Amino acid sequence: EAGVAQSPRYKIIEKRQSVAFWCNPISGHATLYWYQQILGQGPKLLIQFQNNGVVDDSQLPKDRFSAERLKGVDSTLKIQPAKLEDSAVYLCASSLRSGANVLTFGAGSRLTVL
Amino acid sequence: GEDVEQSLFLSVREGDSSVINCTYTDSSSTYLYWYKQEPGAGLQLLTYIFSNMDMKQDQRLTVLLNKKDKHLSLRIADTQTGDSAIYFCAPSPLGGSQGNLIFGKGTKLSVKP
Repeated sequence: EAGVAQSPRYKIIEKRQSVAFWCNPISGHATLYWYQQILGQGPKLLIQFQNNGVVDDSQLPKDRFSAERLKGVDSTLKIQPAKLEDSAVYLCASSLRSGANVLTFGAGSRLTVL
Repeated sequence: GEDVEQSLFLSVREGDSSVINCTYTDSSSTYLYWYKQEPGAGLQLLTYIFSNMDMKQDQRLTVLLNKKDKHLSLRIADTQTGDSAIYFCAPSPLGGSQGNLIFGKGTKLSVKP
């Protein structure tokens, strides 16, 4: 089966600019997640979708970050305006709903904010 | 909230066993996961254990859970150079959304030939 696809793989922008990341989950996976991984840290959940509804966005900085999952498939994560501290890898993951919630991660989108 | 601690580095020789340790604070965690991250890649699920188990073995991997001490370990037998990566412990606290795995900072495993 195809994995979780993400693009772009790398992006360099200046602070106060905007950026968008795209994710295509595994076919049939109802749940989609965006994680932020800062260098040297473990991933931190930003937002979780169940189909096209938001389950948890408690750690999403809503003043600058937004995410949507139209039609319950692909998702886009946007940052506007970007800050230096947003430099990180943005990981998308998806899962089937099950007792043991096995997440499959994409390769990530590395953002550098100058 | 949940806090997860891991040693940052571990170095072993090829063929030896590796043991990666993890301590966590939230005793309500129902599933506890181990993920592997190779350079420039996303995270790959290695194995997981349900909180009512003490041990789980999966080929070269053995997971031990001490729920009383909130200690989780991952043992890799016959470690190979291809096992070099960062390993993350990730409990899934009860009450959080199912995707809200709390990741430690990761243990970087270096395997010397």
